[in-house]
Amino acid sequence: ETGVTQSPTHLIKTRGQQVTLRCSSQSGHNTVSWYQQALGQGPQFIFQYYREEENGRGNFPPRFSGLQFPNYSSELNVNALELDDSALYLCASSEDHPNYGYTFGSGTRLTVV
Amino acid sequence: DQQVKQNSPSLSVQEGRISILNCDYTNSMFDYFLWYKKYPAEGPTFLISISSIKDKNEDGRFTVFLNKSAKHLSLHIVPSQPGDSAVYFCAANPNNNDMRFGAGTRLTVKP
Repeated sequence: ETGVTQSPTHLIKTRGQQVTLRCSSQSGHNTVSWYQQALGQGPQFIFQYYREEENGRGNFPPRFSGLQFPNYSSELNVNALELDDSALYLCASSEDHPNYGYTFGSGTRLTVV
Repeated sequence: DQQVKQNSPSLSVQEGRISILNCDYTNSMFDYFLWYKKYPAEGPTFLISISSIKDKNEDGRFTVFLNKSAKHLSLHIVPSQPGDSAVYFCAANPNNNDMRFGAGTRLTVKP
């Protein structure tokens, strides 16, 4: 088991730009979820992918989009970056039943200036 | 729409004593509750969970209590150790994807 790895660890972007964050799921996990954690807040659900299909979405605008690949790795894409998008982005993987707990990566710290 | 609330941003206890972290929720449709622990520069780590059909789940030093009538759950750590110092998040799952997290409680265990 290698756990969940995310890249890059830190990123600085300019308002209006586009960004792609990457996540490699834990071996054997077919479900990946993305969360945004603003400073002083708990993680907020962005969306989830199960076997390459979107399987639920939180209250985020369409400029937040994602992909899951056949090897269950995943990407989070954010277009037209805004200053409020500055946050820690967490990827979490799980087997079919996340009630047994997600495995989180260490996150990507995105700063929009 | 904050359906899961942790009203204490911080808690400090002495090593060896009990730590009690509290969490309130508003949505009676939540059917599973989880606690996560987060160290700086790391992602949250799953700690313990409880189904809504139970009122207690124990795992070593960690026990979670669920009071459905009060929509309240708590995490008890006994005895507390300095290594338990971290931010603890309460989370609730209404279905299999949209897990809702509280804002977290920073626990400090003093030697």
